[in-house]
Amino acid sequence: DVKVTQSSRYLVKRTGEKVFLECVQDMDHENMFWYRQDPGLGLRLIYFSYDVKMKEKGDIPEGYSVSREKKERFSLILESASTNQTSMYLCASSFYIYEQYFGPGTRLTVT
Amino acid sequence: AQTVTQSQPEMSVQEAETVTLSCTYDTSESDYYLFWYKQPPSRQMILVIRQEAYKQQNATENRFSVNFQKAAKSFSLKISDSQLGDAAMYFCAQGGNKLVFGAGTILRVKS
Repeated sequence: DVKVTQSSRYLVKRTGEKVFLECVQDMDHENMFWYRQDPGLGLRLIYFSYDVKMKEKGDIPEGYSVSREKKERFSLILESASTNQTSMYLCASSFYIYEQYFGPGTRLTVT
Repeated sequence: AQTVTQSQPEMSVQEAETVTLSCTYDTSESDYYLFWYKQPPSRQMILVIRQEAYKQQNATENRFSVNFQKAAKSFSLKISDSQLGDAAMYFCAQGGNKLVFGAGTILRVKS
C-alpha cells in the first residue's frame, strides 16, 4: 500500500512564525503536491514537484515556498505565517498521470 | 482555465438506496482524466473511481459507477445500495499530472 505521511496532524503557530510542513511518501513517486483545503473552496493547489529539486507554482503560491531535496520528501514552508493561512493542508503523491495518493492532512491554526 | 463545478453542497440518501452526485468541468485539453475522491470525516482522502477521457465506456467499481458525457463535460457518480460507510465528502477532479478539484459534496446516509 502506498503510504503518504505528514509530520503533524494539528499545528498551532503564531503570526509571523516560520512554519515547516513535511510530507514523506514511500512509493518512489515522481510527483508530489501541496494543497490547502477550505470549506466551500475544495482543494487548491499551492505547489507541485515532478522531480527532485524541481517545483512549479500552483494556483495559490503566494506566501508559500517548497523544498524537495530527496525524492520521497516534499516540504511546504510558510515564511511568515498569517491568520489567513489557517487551513487544512494536504500532501499528495502520484506516479506520472495516475491517481494521487493523499496524506492525512495537517490542520494549521495561526493565531 | 480549467474549472470543476459540483453544484450540490450536500446530499442525503437512505441506506440501501441509490444517489447520484453531479460534476461538470471545463477544459480545453483533449486528453485528460477524471476522478472521484472520498474524504470520510477525519480520515484520509481515497480514490473512489477514475475515468480516462478517451474511453467511451463508463467506469464502474463495485457499487460505484460514473456517467461520463464528454461532449457535455459532465461526470456524475452513482452510488448504489448506499451504506453508512459511504457518508463522506466527495470531490470530483479533472486533469492529468495536475488536478483541479471541485468544492465537494457532503453525502449523508440515513439509517
